Amino acid sequence: GQQVMQIPQYQHVQEGEDFTTYCNSSTTLSNIQWYKQRPGGHPVFLIQLVKSGEVKKQKRLTFQFGEAKKNSSLHITATQTTDVGTYFCAELFSNDYKLSFGAGTTVTVRA
Amino acid sequence: EAQVTQNPRYLITVTGKKLTVTCSQNMNHEYMSWYRQDPGLGLRQIYYSMNVEVTDKGDVPEGYKVSRKEKRNFPLILESPSPNQTSLYFCASSLWSLSRTNEKLFFGSGTQLSVL
Repeated sequence: GQQVMQIPQYQHVQEGEDFTTYCNSSTTLSNIQWYKQRPGGHPVFLIQLVKSGEVKKQKRLTFQFGEAKKNSSLHITATQTTDVGTYFCAELFSNDYKLSFGAGTTVTVRA
Repeated sequence: EAQVTQNPRYLITVTGKKLTVTCSQNMNHEYMSWYRQDPGLGLRQIYYSMNVEVTDKGDVPEGYKVSRKEKRNFPLILESPSPNQTSLYFCASSLWSLSRTNEKLFFGSGTQLSVL
């Protein structure tokens, strides 16, 4: 079953502010992926993190993998209306065949 | 254009009437998978396939069947749909092994299924 927990479930952000969403696992992760789903759309791949402590940036988005590889975070700076959507983390099991998704963080932005 | 194509986009049916949701990818991907999305539960894996004629259960396989007779196609079959299978379904594909850097799932546009 689902092993990754995402918090918060909902995030209401004022345009221009920063926020962070977290992904926590009870077990050590092989690697972790992040996806974004716009309202009415399908999930789209954002990034994959593999190494302990890894940090990757995509413009205003910063992704981090915990040192113990049990958690990950996505930080968005200067939130824009284009950031609206649901962000999912997904953990890859060691057998390489199953990708288990968290419940997602749904982000709304107040202009 | 590289894509995963699902059909139909919307489907309304009645309890017990067999249905098939088709999925096709044109990227020569070996790995294909079906997910269902329900509010508050995220994406839950139904079945996946590592190659032709090779399939395995995901987290919620009950009530579903799949087949992988060709590399590009991975249909989802509901032999006797029930109301608790009302959901948004996504097909996805990927290059073989998700362990390589930046191997990622490509998702179809989704099928919204309602079982009355």
